[in-house]
Amino acid sequence: DTAVSQTPKYLVTQMGNDKSIKCEQNLGHDTMYWYKQDSKKFLKIMFSYNNKELIINETVPNRFSPKSPDKAHLNLHINSLELGDSAVYFCASSQRWAGEKLFFGSGTQLSVL
Amino acid sequence: TQLLEQSPQFLSIQEGENLTVYCNSSSVFSSLQWYRQEPGEGPVLLVTVVTGGEVKKLKRLTFQFGDARKDSSLHITAAQPGDTGLYLCAGVSGYALNFGKGTSLLVTP
Repeated sequence: DTAVSQTPKYLVTQMGNDKSIKCEQNLGHDTMYWYKQDSKKFLKIMFSYNNKELIINETVPNRFSPKSPDKAHLNLHINSLELGDSAVYFCASSQRWAGEKLFFGSGTQLSVL
Repeated sequence: TQLLEQSPQFLSIQEGENLTVYCNSSSVFSSLQWYRQEPGEGPVLLVTVVTGGEVKKLKRLTFQFGDARKDSSLHITAAQPGDTGLYLCAGVSGYALNFGKGTSLLVTP
């Protein structure tokens, strides 16, 4: 069983569309995250979600909204996609807090045309 | 956000060579983590260093945490093609684990 799984693996879409990326972890972890990795491989935190508390990186546009139906799932919804949103998005989880080992999904490569 | 600077950015070496990559910051960290990322996959944790001056070994990989807990290094002995990947250091700042920009390592046979 994959510990952190995200779907889809690849997502190609047009500017202006709305899309979602799903993430599930079967590790029983309390905290989940979304990271964005740009073309230069820089991995940047977008959101942290712990026990229904959402912490948002203030540089993330409000077109991005994480949604957590339960502790094992943290989905990412993106409205009005822009060219600059093209990147690889990674979901991750940790037992309790960020100082512990992070388990990453295999990423979703988003291409906005 | 506490910045982590990694060097070199790119490294291409022959199998059997030794190498060292560096992770530096002007800030003190309670711990630093090292991850390796292979193409098409997410980063995978290699090691966490916690104590200033600490040295940890993982087979041919040696990790060191600076005495002042502001920097760390990763030394690979006798590199192999399987060591190819992106090496990322990371430290906690605020609520999240923040990453350096990584060192992309290519080991050719």
